[in-house]
Amino acid sequence: DAGITQSPRYKITETGRQVTLMCHQTWSHSYMFWYRQDLGHGLRLIYYSAAADITDKGEVPDGYVVSRSKTENFPLTLESATRSQTSVYFCASRTSGSTDTQYFGPGTRLTVL
Amino acid sequence: LAKTTQPISMDSYEGQEVNITCSHNNIATNDYITWYQQFPSQGPRFIIQGYKTKVTNEVASLFIPADRKSSTLSLPRVSLSDTAVYYCLVGAVGYQKVTFGIGTKLQVIP
Repeated sequence: DAGITQSPRYKITETGRQVTLMCHQTWSHSYMFWYRQDLGHGLRLIYYSAAADITDKGEVPDGYVVSRSKTENFPLTLESATRSQTSVYFCASRTSGSTDTQYFGPGTRLTVL
Repeated sequence: LAKTTQPISMDSYEGQEVNITCSHNNIATNDYITWYQQFPSQGPRFIIQGYKTKVTNEVASLFIPADRKSSTLSLPRVSLSDTAVYYCLVGAVGYQKVTFGIGTKLQVIP
């Protein structure tokens, strides 16, 4: 049981290219999240999803697109990557229960040249 | 959404108890306080959550005074492996747009 996985773990791309980061969870959690982490900013929420086909913007959604056709997958797409999107991206999931604990993936380090 | 303030960094020697305080002056009635731990090159990991008074688990204790305007995460007898960034979050259970902030970087010294 892998829990929550992200792929790729490392990615180097060029400005203007489309990039998709994958997130997969095996717990059937309702909620899934995408965060980016940059020095001096902590973790900032990009998008989240409450269930399949239900997504909403977080704090920093510009330049990103998400989809959730299946409960277990929540891909994040950078339609036209920019250097400012160089960051570490974390996916997380949680149940809709009372403890509100989020479970994080290992992260994807993305570099945009 | 309640804003939190916590020290940017702390140092501690091995074996000591470490207390990290988080201020959240505008905490709402239905807000909980949650702490996460993040090791380098890993995602954050849930440590503890509480609403009032004291909560203890196998990893840490969380002390919340009656006015709930602050909270203190207590790590007993820290070891080098406790070197990490610790985040204090405040929000209603089920609220999606939680804010992690930059956290407190704890360095445990041999």
